[in-house]
Order: sequence, then structure tokens, then C-alpha cells
Amino acid sequence: AQSVTQLDSQVPVFEEAPVELRCNYSSSVSVYLFWYVQYPNQGLQLLLKYLSGSTLVESINGFEAEFNKSQTSFHLRKPSVHISDTAEYFCAVSSLGSYQLTFGKGTKLSVIP
Amino acid sequence: DTAVSQTPKYLVTQMGNDKSIKCEQNLGHDTMYWYKQDSKKFLKIMFSYNNKELIINETVPNRFSPKSPDKAHLNLHINSLELGDSAVYFCASSPRRREIKANYGYTFGSGTRLTVV
Repeated sequence: AQSVTQLDSQVPVFEEAPVELRCNYSSSVSVYLFWYVQYPNQGLQLLLKYLSGSTLVESINGFEAEFNKSQTSFHLRKPSVHISDTAEYFCAVSSLGSYQLTFGKGTKLSVIP
Repeated sequence: DTAVSQTPKYLVTQMGNDKSIKCEQNLGHDTMYWYKQDSKKFLKIMFSYNNKELIINETVPNRFSPKSPDKAHLNLHINSLELGDSAVYFCASSPRRREIKANYGYTFGSGTRLTVV
């Protein structure tokens, strides 16, 4: 079985400050990891993913995440947030041999001007 | 050029009615999914089809019935709608699992907001 825990349900942060959204996963086999973003009243957009290779992955809008197998984590970071980053962020896992993509409960990032 | 499209975007209906949500993907993916997002934003998988074959069927009331006429379409039919069915329903698709390439991922539609009154 696979599962995802997002440790923070809400993260308020001031504009231009750094942010880290935490994600831990559980699986007995190899995993593929994803971060999705959902802006208010919109669908889910893929932010970044880890499939294999380099453990540090980056998105086009300045976010990065690092796969840490020993700590079973895939935390999302951004060195300087913008108002436009205000959204719900979901971490998700899919294990080797499974079609299923399992989501965490989401973290609401609120950027304060 | 929408990759995964769902219709309708909004659906308001009365309890007891039967309704359908349609989903189509033009990405050539083999696998399609239905997810339900509740009022607390929690996303839970409902069904998955791989090349028209049902492969995931989570604990969902049998009032919900998926139908896949071909691998590009996965529709969701709901009978005897209840207040608790109110949610946002997302369709998604992914490439075949045996070949994990750099472009592997799950693409989601924009969602259907179902309100049962």
C-alpha cells in the first residue's frame, strides 16, 4: 500500500520569503513522486515530478523538490514566493507496479503582501 | 487543443436524478481515471481503466458506474444522486505503465463541480 502525508494543512508566508511544503510518503517498493498545484476554482496542474535520476527536480516557476529515499520525503521549496503562488499544493505518489496515484491532503499556501 | 476535457464544467441537479459526466483525452494515453475531490479538498481515486478494461474500482457506491467506449473516453454515470455526492470530479489520464519515460505523468481535466440540491 502507498500513502502520502503532508504535514501542514496551511502555510502562511510573506511575499518574497522562502517556503517549504513538507511531504512524506510510504511505500514498500520504488516510487514516482509528484507535486500538483490547484489555483482557486481551477483544476490540477503538474508542478514537478521525480521519476528517476537526479534527486533534485525543478519547475519552470522557481519551485524545486528533493527526493530523499532514506527519509521517504519529497519536500517542495521556493526561495522567494510571489502573491501568485497562493494556491493549494498536493503531493502525490505512485508505486512501481501500481496504476494508482495517491494524494496527500494538500497544503494551502497563502502568500501575504 | 485541450489534453483532457470534461463536460459539463458545472452540474446542478436535484436529489434522485441520474446524471453523466463525460471525459475525453487526446494524448494517446492508455489509462484513464476518475477522482473525487470533497469539500475539504481531499482527492480520492474512484475508478481506473486501462485500454477500456477496469483496473481500479475503489469502494464507491454502485450508483456510480464508469463506462469506457474506447481508450480515449471515460464517462461517469451516477444514478439516484444524493446530497453527499456533491463534489468536484476530476478525470485524468496517463501513458502506459510499462514504459516510464521522461514524459510520464498524470494529466488532469479541469473538473466538474457537481451540486446536488
